[in-house]
Amino acid sequence: AQSVTQLDSQVPVFEEAPVELRCNYSSSVSVYLFWYVQYPNQGLQLLLKYLSGSTLVKGINGFEAEFNKSQTSFHLRKPSVHISDTAEYFCAVSAPFGNEKLTFGTGTRLTIIP
Amino acid sequence: NAGVMQNPRHLVRRRGQEARLRCSPMKGHSHVYWYRQLPEEGLKFMVYLQKENIIDESGMPKERFSAEFPKEGPSILRIQQVVRGDSAAYFCASSPPELVVTQYFGPGTRLLVL
Repeated sequence: AQSVTQLDSQVPVFEEAPVELRCNYSSSVSVYLFWYVQYPNQGLQLLLKYLSGSTLVKGINGFEAEFNKSQTSFHLRKPSVHISDTAEYFCAVSAPFGNEKLTFGTGTRLTIIP
Repeated sequence: NAGVMQNPRHLVRRRGQEARLRCSPMKGHSHVYWYRQLPEEGLKFMVYLQKENIIDESGMPKERFSAEFPKEGPSILRIQQVVRGDSAAYFCASSPPELVVTQYFGPGTRLLVL
C-alpha cells in the first residue's frame, strides 16, 4: 500500500515570490507520482506527472516538480506565483499494475498575497 | 473533445432517501474511477470500473453504496438510505485504455444530506 504526506496544510506566499509545496510518499514498490490542482468548487486538474525517466518534470502554468527517490519526495515548485495560482494542491501516487487507483495527500492550500 | 461530465453538480437529499450520481467519461475512455472528498480532506478512492465490470471496489463502504458502468450510458454511483455522513463531494475520473495511469477528473457532485 502507498501513502502520501503533504506536510503543509496552508502556504501563504507573496505575489511574484517563489513557492515550494512539499510532498513525501511511502511505498514498498515503485510508484507513479502526480500533482493536481483544485480551484474552488471545481474538479481536479492535472498539473504534472512522473512516470519514469528524467526526475525533473515540467507541467502546466509554469510549475515543475522533482522526483527524489532516496528522499521519497516529489516537491512542487514555481519560481514566481500569481494571484491566479490560489488553489488547493494535491499530491498523489499510484502503483504500476495496481489498478492505477490514486492515493492522495490531504492537500496544501496555497494563498497568494497581493 | 468534451471532458468528464458529472451530473447533477449539486444534490440535496433528506436522510433515508436515495442519491444517484452520474458520470460520463471522456470519449474513448473505458476506465472509470469514483473518489469521495469529505470536507477539509483529500480524495479517497472508492471504486474502479470498466464497461460492465467492477475491477476494484476496495474503497466502497460495505453497505448502501453501489456502482455500475453499463455497456451503454454513464457510470452510476448509487447511495441508498443516505445519512448526514454521506455529505461530501464525489468525483469521477476516467482514463483511456492505452494510458490507464493518467486520470482526468470531472467537476464533481456535491451531495448535501439534510
